[in-house]
Amino acid sequence: RKEVEQDPGPFNVPEGATVAFNCTYSNSASQSFFWYRQDCRKEPKLLMSVYSSGNEDGRFTAQLNRASQYISLLIRDSKLSDSATYLCVVNLNTGGFKTIFGAGTRLFVKA
Amino acid sequence: EAGVTQSPTHLIKTRGQQATLRCSPISGHTSVYWYQQALGLGLQFLLWYDEGEERNRGNFPPRFSGRQFPNYSSELNVNALELEDSALYLCASSPRSGMVSYEQYFGPGTRLTVT
Repeated sequence: RKEVEQDPGPFNVPEGATVAFNCTYSNSASQSFFWYRQDCRKEPKLLMSVYSSGNEDGRFTAQLNRASQYISLLIRDSKLSDSATYLCVVNLNTGGFKTIFGAGTRLFVKA
Repeated sequence: EAGVTQSPTHLIKTRGQQATLRCSPISGHTSVYWYQQALGLGLQFLLWYDEGEERNRGNFPPRFSGRQFPNYSSELNVNALELEDSALYLCASSPRSGMVSYEQYFGPGTRLTVT
């Protein structure tokens, strides 16, 4: 089983739609969580950290469920510019700091 | 504030040669991470440096090595290049390690092509 798993998609949605991605992680010692977006042939850019209480940044909402070991990202009112690959990232410290990236979920927003 | 910078942008080498990639972290960041992203694949963790020391490495052979300099910039060396080393090599930095809550900020990457 992969340490961090994401649905690869692609998710094809019309502009204005709401879309949600989930990401599951296997290590219960995971300590911090992030969502990054990566455009084609570009570097990943931090989208938001994910906190236990959930957090929102404009049209983006992230949630963490430690009991079920998953994090989610909700995008409301999708824009064409939201088209990208969304990467789930988990940091853990089990005798050594480690960062694990999910393989990403591709999103295409169409006019 | 300047972001993470990497050089060169592109690098073309032949099989068996050595490649050296460079990274300068965001000012004030002491941790540098290296990742490999082969075409169409996810990021694979290579190396982590903090305060000049190698703190952790991923599942890569010893011909992948590097170092971190006193100014916290870093170098990744790949010896005896193989065709499958062709990939985008990304460097990221974060503030002082020991706090797993710190986010990592990425540079634009070096695209290495081995022919």
